[in-house]
Amino acid sequence: QMQLQESGPGLVKPSETLSLTCTVSSGSIKTSSYYWGWIRQPPGKGLEWIGTLHYSGNTYYNPSLQSRVTISADTSKNQVSLKLNSVSAPDTAVYYCARHRGSSWPWFFDLWGRGTLVTVSS
Amino acid sequence: EIVLTQSPGTLSLSPGERATLSCRASQTIKNSYLAWYQQKPGQAPSLLIYGASSRATGIPDRFSGSGSGTDFTLTITRLEPEDFALYYCQQYGGSPFTFGPGTKVDIK
Repeated sequence: QMQLQESGPGLVKPSETLSLTCTVSSGSIKTSSYYWGWIRQPPGKGLEWIGTLHYSGNTYYNPSLQSRVTISADTSKNQVSLKLNSVSAPDTAVYYCARHRGSSWPWFFDLWGRGTLVTVSS
Repeated sequence: EIVLTQSPGTLSLSPGERATLSCRASQTIKNSYLAWYQQKPGQAPSLLIYGASSRATGIPDRFSGSGSGTDFTLTITRLEPEDFALYYCQQYGGSPFTFGPGTKVDIK
């Protein structure tokens, strides 16, 4: 059964770049059936979609974050990466990697990683 | 951007009771592309319902979704102890994909 695992630094300094990796196991990201997304959740708050990628290169970003976000895929490592630059305290959150069902359009998130807490602090 | 509003914010019920959760969209959601998720403390959300009314794999039939256009409902017919949790709706009819603020179902 496919699993998603987020990894990366748990602490990032203000103004620096947050970099996270989602490693997909027991399945390939090179499939037309899925898209791969990132969602975040500040402590005690709701969910915010960050962006989504298809291995073919199609990407969708939340306009509220688009100027600071890059999502990319490394098919040789079966990984999806998130970079968020110029971070500040409001970027402190649990960051989730999730799989979208869908072939021509990203649909619902049907599989989630456990999430990783990233704190922005000096 | 489609804004989702969920009500009530908190629902206090007893096991065995019926829960009715509402999700209202600021504009029509194309193709009823509306999903519901359950989140328990310290865990990732998990998919319950997609396409407004289709249960995800393994979801018990006490969970049901309904609605179209701008008004959607998640119903839990008889609350089990494990159902006390946070519930989010999410639309995927258009980008940006957006979530509602959530409804907490807690034990009365």
